Parts: sequence; structure tokens; C-alpha cells
Amino acid sequence: TQLLEQSPQFLSIQEGENLTVYCNSSSVFSSLQWYRQEPGEGPVLLVTVVTGGEVKKLKRLTFQFGDARKDSSLHITAAQPGDTGLYLCAGGYYGGATNKLIFGTGTLLAVQP
Amino acid sequence: NAGVTQTPKFQVLKTGQSMTLQCAQDMNHEYMSWYRQDPGMGLRLIHYSVGAGITDQGEVPNGYNVSRSTTEDFPLRLLSAAPSQTSVYFCASSSGTSGTGELFFGEGSRLTVL
Repeated sequence: TQLLEQSPQFLSIQEGENLTVYCNSSSVFSSLQWYRQEPGEGPVLLVTVVTGGEVKKLKRLTFQFGDARKDSSLHITAAQPGDTGLYLCAGGYYGGATNKLIFGTGTLLAVQP
Repeated sequence: NAGVTQTPKFQVLKTGQSMTLQCAQDMNHEYMSWYRQDPGMGLRLIHYSVGAGITDQGEVPNGYNVSRSTTEDFPLRLLSAAPSQTSVYFCASSSGTSGTGELFFGEGSRLTVL
């Protein structure tokens, strides 16, 4: 069972366009992280949000955690070719004996120059 | 700065063979984990460890074993490889033991099972 669903799965846009990636679940998460992964490399953390309704900005990237802590969004303004990569959300989940990070299904973004 | 180092980067196995994926980190992190990445499925947790001598199962542990004899090393063993284990494997570490802190990933090991 996949706890975190991301949409869209693929996105190909032109340089300068805006886009939003969604990360949805029916489960409540203690925190929500966003990672970006480039080909041949491991994911790298972009941001962590921990409070329902929290909004964080990282230059042209805006991250929001849903009020109920079940969903999140990533908005990119004026996308650039350097934004190309696989975007992964990950939720902090209390399951079993310890907490775990559960990853979403991923959104592959291609920004054409 | 080495960070998390995985070896090998590429491996081809025949069905039924066994092998070990190595993972080492030099950041003195207590928490280490193994994920597999398959198209359209994101990253799925195989096994994790909150410190030397302590390991536990993640979402998809079947067919894999781990051990944690030192803080630095966390090898993943495939006991009898199957084509369903064809994937890219990532080792990750994190400071603290909560399991929900920032993960630092290795570059991945691409495994093909024929």
C-alpha cells in the first residue's frame, strides 16, 4: 500500500513556466520533507515542514504543508532547466516500534530551454 | 567529504545467486537505512538500524538481510536473488535515531537479476 501519492507523475514544461506538484495521503504525518534527485545520484533534501498550514520558500520554490498534515504541495515559479529532476515527498510516519520516512511515488520534471 | 559510500555501483546477478551491497558512512550517524527505488513507486524502505547491534524491518524486507556491527557500516545481503529484486538500491543515514530526520543518501547501486 502506497501511503503517499504524488501528481503528476511526469511533467514537461518550457523554461519560465510555473508548476505545482502535489503529494497526497489519507494518513497524518508528523513532518513532510521534499527531496530532489538527479540522474545517477541519491536524493537531496530541499525542505522540511512540520506544522499544519506551514509555508516555506526557497528562492523560486514554495512548499506548503496541509492544515491536516495529510498533504503537501511544491510550487516552482519561472522554472529553469536546472530544476529538472525527480521530486520526492516523504512523510514522517509513526508505525511500529520506531518512526519512519515514507516516500511518495515521485514526480519527474523536465524543463526545456 | 565522503558522506555515504555504496559499493558496487553496478551488479548483474543470476537468479539464485547471493551478494552483499556495502554501505559506509563517515558522519557518525546512528540511523542507517536501505531503500529500493523502482519506476513509479518512489523509494521503499527495506531495513533500517538505529544503532550498532539494532536492526528492524521496513516495508519490503523479504529476501534481504542486514546487520550493523559498527556505527559506520550497514551491509545489505541478498540471500537468493530473484528477478523481482532488480532495482536501484540506496543506502541513507541520518543523525539521531528518530528515523524521520534529514536523510543523506549514497549514489545508489544498480542491480540486475537475470
